[in-house]
Amino acid sequence: DQQVKQNSPSLSVQEGRISILNCDYTNSMFDYFLWYKKYPAEGPTFLISISSIKDKNEDGRFTVFLNKSAKHLSLHIVPSQPGDSAVYFCAASARNYGQNFVFGPGTRLSVLP
Amino acid sequence: KAGVTQTPRYLIKTRGQQVTLSCSPISGHRSVSWYQQTPGQGLQFLFEYFSETQRNKGNFPGRFSGRQFSNSRSEMNVSTLELGDSALYLCASSYGQGLDEQYFGPGTRLTVT
Repeated sequence: DQQVKQNSPSLSVQEGRISILNCDYTNSMFDYFLWYKKYPAEGPTFLISISSIKDKNEDGRFTVFLNKSAKHLSLHIVPSQPGDSAVYFCAASARNYGQNFVFGPGTRLSVLP
Repeated sequence: KAGVTQTPRYLIKTRGQQVTLSCSPISGHRSVSWYQQTPGQGLQFLFEYFSETQRNKGNFPGRFSGRQFSNSRSEMNVSTLELGDSALYLCASSYGQGLDEQYFGPGTRLTVT
């Protein structure tokens, strides 16, 4: 049973528009969430995180929103750039679990010029 | 600051053999986690080491083991390799105090024939 789900395997967006990547989780113990970006033949690169005491965190073009009641988080990229084309993973953990992060299956984002 | 390095980058082994993979974390990071990435299962947590002690463990058989040295470098060993062990093995490092973001290496691509 997947505890972290990314139901869209792929997403295509026009350059300059907003990209919205979604992630749902089932374990109510999760209280820390991260987004990673992965290019082929490279390890995942950390993008942005959010803890459950917040509902929004911003870093430049990247904003993560957390809806605890819905067990849902989303990553917004504005404006989208061709270099953002990659696979995006969301990951979750809980203070009790330490650095044991559960990853979603990933969403492949393609930003079209 | 140098990133996480993993050696070797590529490895081909035959069934029944054993393999050792190495990971050097970012300087100052004391936590090293290992993940297995396969197309079907995504990123799955193997184990985490902190200050030379295994602190967390995922749901993998005992054929998968690891250790961490006093300089925080870590090795992962897989004994009696099976075809299903073919995967990208990623290590990630972090400061390890509470929950914090992990920084990934490029991975070791293991192929078992």
